[in-house]
Amino acid sequence: SYELTQPLSVSVALGQTARITCGGNNIGSKNVYWYQQKPGQAPALVIYRNSNRPSGIPERFSGSNSGNTATLTISRAQAGDEADYYCQVWDSSTAWVFGGGTKLTVL
Amino acid sequence: QITLKESGPTLVTPTQTLTLTCTFSGFSLSTSGVGVGWIRQPPGKALEWLALLYWDDDKRYSPSLKNRLTITKDTSKNQVVLTMTNMDPVDTATYYCARAYTQHGDSFDYWGQGTLVTVSS
Repeated sequence: SYELTQPLSVSVALGQTARITCGGNNIGSKNVYWYQQKPGQAPALVIYRNSNRPSGIPERFSGSNSGNTATLTISRAQAGDEADYYCQVWDSSTAWVFGGGTKLTVL
Repeated sequence: QITLKESGPTLVTPTQTLTLTCTFSGFSLSTSGVGVGWIRQPPGKALEWLALLYWDDDKRYSPSLKNRLTITKDTSKNQVVLTMTNMDPVDTATYYCARAYTQHGDSFDYWGQGTLVTVSS
């Protein structure tokens, strides 16, 4: 089965750039999706197909994917960006797979 | 405006069968490329995909849970129903339904608010 590995937590200073990674075997050959989940809320899609933003998602959110690592980058981090972030791929053997989630703290 | 809402019991006893209904609006499950899926999240833990049903009645299940899951649709009522048999306390989680649309790849672009299901005797 296909597995995705995320750091448990990432911290970023207010206004700085946060990078959240998602590791997987040859993940660069797959499309990666990123979700933001704030406390008590449902997840929300913030990046689809590696680097595309759904309507309404700020340009501060961007994504990249190469080799064995995909990265969600949040520029000019704001207090409102504090949340759990999950990566997700579709794999032919496991279908929809989510990473373990990363808690982003804005200091 | 696209909305989804989960409904069902908040408490089930071990070995019971859980039936959850997702009622949606703002899109049609008859539209090519559209699907509705179920994802769960145990308290304090990560998301886990369970099942998905496409507009053409193609059904997909998590390999680890497929023997316990059934997903069906009632297009006229804009509903998707998930049943999970032989519930266990480890199945305690918030259960979400979400829309999948191939325009956004293999992702879930709209989610319901979720419903917490507790499995306990």
